[in-house]
Amino acid sequence: GAGVSQTPSNKVTEKGKYVELRCDPISGHTALYWYRQSLGQGPEFLIYFQGTGAADDSGLPNDRFFAVRPEGSVSTLKIQRTERGDSAVYLCASSFAMDTGELFFGEGSRLTVL
Amino acid sequence: QKEVEQNSGPLSVPEGAIASLNCTYSDRVSQSFFWYRQYSGKSPELIMSIYSNGDKEDGRFTAQLNKASQYVSLLIRDSQPSDSATYLCAVMGSYGNNRLAFGKGNQVVVIP
Repeated sequence: GAGVSQTPSNKVTEKGKYVELRCDPISGHTALYWYRQSLGQGPEFLIYFQGTGAADDSGLPNDRFFAVRPEGSVSTLKIQRTERGDSAVYLCASSFAMDTGELFFGEGSRLTVL
Repeated sequence: QKEVEQNSGPLSVPEGAIASLNCTYSDRVSQSFFWYRQYSGKSPELIMSIYSNGDKEDGRFTAQLNKASQYVSLLIRDSQPSDSATYLCAVMGSYGNNRLAFGKGNQVVVIP
């Protein structure tokens, strides 16, 4: 499809496990953003990439969270030693340029940590 | 102080009426402002962008920006049941700061 693709759509894991969430942006979009959203809240910024490099990772809550985009397209958000508080919908968005706020979102990956 | 604040609770409006949503932001030098719509269980989608003081109209939607007062608003005219959703205000920072910050959203319910 032509939209932003996120996998898995749902992930249930146990506390302490490692999780990877994948995002495939719209072809040609150079900017890629990760947000997480809890029920009743707006999207909370985590990190954004311009090309392969993380331009701003100030939203990552702690060192258990890490994201990569090695070839400037697909990105993976990695969460180590998951905690119950990590449960949320993780949203990926892409944009044709870094300096526009016109983001196209994927459908999200719902993470549940038991 | 949160970067983007949307403080009003759920808004119920009768079909055909005007829905009015407000948002304030903390970074005085912010340059770009957006409204996203999010249906229940779905992802946000962009509906309006505004960059200059004043009004910007797009169909039944009007965005208003007042940089001196640091607020952005969204008007939905002739509200339809399909407008029932959560509306998210988003603000991009000053030049070189391309992080897009979102408010918590305002739920709108249009009553037929």
